[in-house]
Amino acid sequence: EPEVTQTPSHQVTQMGQEVILRCVPISNHLYFYWYRQILGQKVEFLVSFYNNEISEKSEIFDDQFSVERPDGSNFTLKIRSTKLEDSAMYFCASSATTGTGGNEQFFGPGTRLTVL
Amino acid sequence: AQSVTQLDSHVSVSEGTPVLLRCNYSSSYSPSLFWYVQHPNKGLQLLLKYTSAATLVKGINGFEAEFKKSETSFHLTKPSAHMSDAAEYFCVVSGGVLTGGGNKLTFGTGTQLKVEL
Repeated sequence: EPEVTQTPSHQVTQMGQEVILRCVPISNHLYFYWYRQILGQKVEFLVSFYNNEISEKSEIFDDQFSVERPDGSNFTLKIRSTKLEDSAMYFCASSATTGTGGNEQFFGPGTRLTVL
Repeated sequence: AQSVTQLDSHVSVSEGTPVLLRCNYSSSYSPSLFWYVQHPNKGLQLLLKYTSAATLVKGINGFEAEFKKSETSFHLTKPSAHMSDAAEYFCVVSGGVLTGGGNKLTFGTGTQLKVEL
């Protein structure tokens, strides 16, 4: 069964460093998403991406964040200068379509980012 | 704007007894609603979804949920709990409107289900 994969599973970095979180969405999906879950809090939407551009982003997704689909398979989230409060589990998701009836999003296992 | 409220942060049941996890939603549009489950140190797995077809939705592992528009509820139930059901459960709403660019999911705060012998 096709699945979303994410690497690395755990990333430890120093405050101020850049990190890139990688995701491989399901191959025939067209819509890609990043969410995060700070420990003990709910899952929060960061950004959605379609047709090589951001379609929606949340208030959390400020200038420190960027997303890219560098090739036909990978989808990355970059944090330019990490802060302590960026420590969280980051989930990538993908969906084949949007709108009623088809917007089931499939989630990867997550990358746990720890900023020291 | 859309939101979900999960009324219980923790639910504890005995194995073999029914499970009820409560969720109320708010949405300006005809919503799509989902329940996702997260086992410890695992990703999010879709249990079931409601997308304006049948109001009683059946999912995996014996779970089902009923969409009640008049009560703005989408409670998750299972007739008989199993030890393997112990996990965190998230009620999730999506806008349900074709945007052409993807629909963000809005998660509830989660309900931790504990199943005791």
